[in-house]
Amino acid sequence: GENVEQHPSTLSVQEGDSAVIKCTYSDSASNYFPWYKQELGKGPQLIIDIRSNVGEKKDQRIAVTLNKTAKHFSLHITETQPEDSAVYFCASRGMGRRALTFGSGTRLQVQP
Amino acid sequence: NAGVTQTPKFQVLKTGQSMTLQCAQDMNHNSMYWYRQDPGMGLRLIYYSASEGTTDKGEVPNGYNVSRLNKREFSLRLESAAPSQTSVYFCASSEVRDSGAFFGQGTRLTVV
Repeated sequence: GENVEQHPSTLSVQEGDSAVIKCTYSDSASNYFPWYKQELGKGPQLIIDIRSNVGEKKDQRIAVTLNKTAKHFSLHITETQPEDSAVYFCASRGMGRRALTFGSGTRLQVQP
Repeated sequence: NAGVTQTPKFQVLKTGQSMTLQCAQDMNHNSMYWYRQDPGMGLRLIYYSASEGTTDKGEVPNGYNVSRLNKREFSLRLESAAPSQTSVYFCASSEVRDSGAFFGQGTRLTVV
C-alpha cells in the first residue's frame, strides 16, 4: 500500500519567517495531495490541496508544490504568525483508492 | 452547519468492556472513515465506507467492527477493549472523487 513520509517532525521558526514541510509518497499512481492543520484538542482541518495535474497552488500565505517525478510535495507558509502554530499533516490518495494515507505530522511552533 | 459530529468526546473503559463510537455527518457525503491517531504515527485508517451499505477494512482493523447505518451515520464498535486501543479516534467524510475529507472533533478513549 501507499506510504507517506513527512519531515521534519518538529519545526520552530521566528514570527515572520517562512516554514517548509516536505512529504514523499511511494505510489506513483497517487493523484490527490491534501494538507491538514490540527490545533490542540481539535480534529484535522483541510487547509490546501493539490491534484497531480498541477505543479503549484497558492492560497494567501500558504502554497503547496508537487514534483511527480521525485514523488514529493511540500507545504510552504510565508510570513508566519503565532496562530500558525499547530501540527500539520500531509496525505495522499492513490488512483482508485477511497481513503487518504497520512504522514506522521509536523509540529510547527512560531515564536513571537 | 454541524459538519461531522462524534460522540462521546471522552471515554474511559476497563479492559474487556465494549462500546460504540457514534459519528454523523450532515454534508450528504457518500464516503465515511474511521481513523485512529497515536503519538508520532499520524492518522491510520481503521475502516471506511464508500457508500451506504458497504464497508471495507483499512490499515488497522483488528479489534474493531463498523456499521454504516444510513448515509449520515457510521459507527465504530469495540467488542472487547484492550489497552492497545487507547487512542484518539476520528471520524471523517468526503465526496467520492478527488476531495479532501472533513473530520470530526475526535473521541479520546482510554482503556485501563
